[in-house]
Amino acid sequence: EPEVTQTPSHQVTQMGQEVILRCVPISNHLYFYWYRQILGQKVEFLVSFYNNEISEKSEIFDDQFSVERPDGSNFTLKIRSTKLEDSAMYFCASSRPSGGTDTQYFGPGTRLTVL
Amino acid sequence: ELKVEQNPLFLSMQEGKNYTIYCNYSTTSDRLYWYRQDPGKSLESLFVLLSNGAVKQEGRLMASLDTKARLSTLHITAAVHDLPATYFCAVDKTSGSRLTFGEGTQLTVNP
Repeated sequence: EPEVTQTPSHQVTQMGQEVILRCVPISNHLYFYWYRQILGQKVEFLVSFYNNEISEKSEIFDDQFSVERPDGSNFTLKIRSTKLEDSAMYFCASSRPSGGTDTQYFGPGTRLTVL
Repeated sequence: ELKVEQNPLFLSMQEGKNYTIYCNYSTTSDRLYWYRQDPGKSLESLFVLLSNGAVKQEGRLMASLDTKARLSTLHITAAVHDLPATYFCAVDKTSGSRLTFGEGTQLTVNP
């Protein structure tokens, strides 16, 4: 069964450094998303991407964040200058809305630790 | 702003008994999802409810949606040891739009 994959599974970085989190969505999906989950808290939406552009973003997704789909398979989230409060689990998701189901399928996540 | 609230946030179940998790949301929507998350793991889709009165069942879990009351319930029949996890409900407004999650309900089972 097709799955969303994410790399790396764990990223440790120093405050102020740039990180790139990578995702490979399910191949025939059209919508791509990033969410984050701070330890012990609920899942928060960051951004959605459709037709090669951002379709929606939250107030969390400020100028430090960017997304890109550099080729036909990868979807990346870049944080330009990481802060301590960026430490969280980052989930990529994808969906292919149709008449029967609109499920967003989540990847295994990347745990980002900012020191 | 769409808000989603779950209760209870913690549920300590006894084996064999029945329980219900409630999910309320603040604005009109007829699209609600239930996910399961094991500790340190990702979110696994359980149910998709896309219309008023929708009811879905899988094993010991049954989910329903009342869009007029803006309420979904996840009913657990005869709790067993394979159920402990955190269960999230989430709502979106249209196809492809963001999911807004509840706080999650953490389930444990006592023998």
